[in-house]
Amino acid sequence: QKEVEQDPGPLSVPEGAIVSLNCTYSNSAFQYFMWYRQYSRKGPELLMYTYSSGNKEDGRFTAQVDKSSKYISLFIRDSQPSDSATYLCAMGLGNAGTMLTFGGGTRLMVKP
Amino acid sequence: NAGVMQNPRHLVRRRGQEARLRCSPMKGHSHVYWYRQLPEEGLKFMVYLQKENIIDESGMPKERFSAEFPKEGPSILRIQQVVRGDSAAYFCASSPALGGDTQYFGPGTRLTVL
Repeated sequence: QKEVEQDPGPLSVPEGAIVSLNCTYSNSAFQYFMWYRQYSRKGPELLMYTYSSGNKEDGRFTAQVDKSSKYISLFIRDSQPSDSATYLCAMGLGNAGTMLTFGGGTRLMVKP
Repeated sequence: NAGVMQNPRHLVRRRGQEARLRCSPMKGHSHVYWYRQLPEEGLKFMVYLQKENIIDESGMPKERFSAEFPKEGPSILRIQQVVRGDSAAYFCASSPALGGDTQYFGPGTRLTVL
């Protein structure tokens, strides 16, 4: 079993839809959680960062963490074709300078 | 305000040759991480370095791979005697020295071994 599980998709939605992306994890020691967006043949771009259970909102993006269920989500409101990319969840142990453990990524396609 | 820089962006090597990948962290960052992304897979941690020190190399293959981050200049990931299975995208990330546990990634180096 992988430490971090993520549905690979692809997930295809119409423009304007609300998108829900999810990851589950097995290591209860993970303390901080990130979402990265990766366009084809580019480097991952940090979207959201959370350090505790609950919700964090930034523009059209909301990150949600449920540590009791070991489950994190990223919601994208009013999705745009430019949101079409692979979304990677990542987790760390909470100490500066430690490795991140990534999910395999979910490919999202937003159709105009 | 440059981000993490990596070069070359694309590197082609024949089996048995050496590959050298370079990474310059963001300004003010002194922690450097290397990750590898195989086709259709997520990123896998390889090594974490600070200036002149390897802090964690638990994800690095024991043979043929080495990394350094000298006092002056970029961090180098070196792969000796490359094999076809080394073909992947190699990403470097950096984070600040104090209080920084978010990592910012460079554009990657795509290594192709013929």
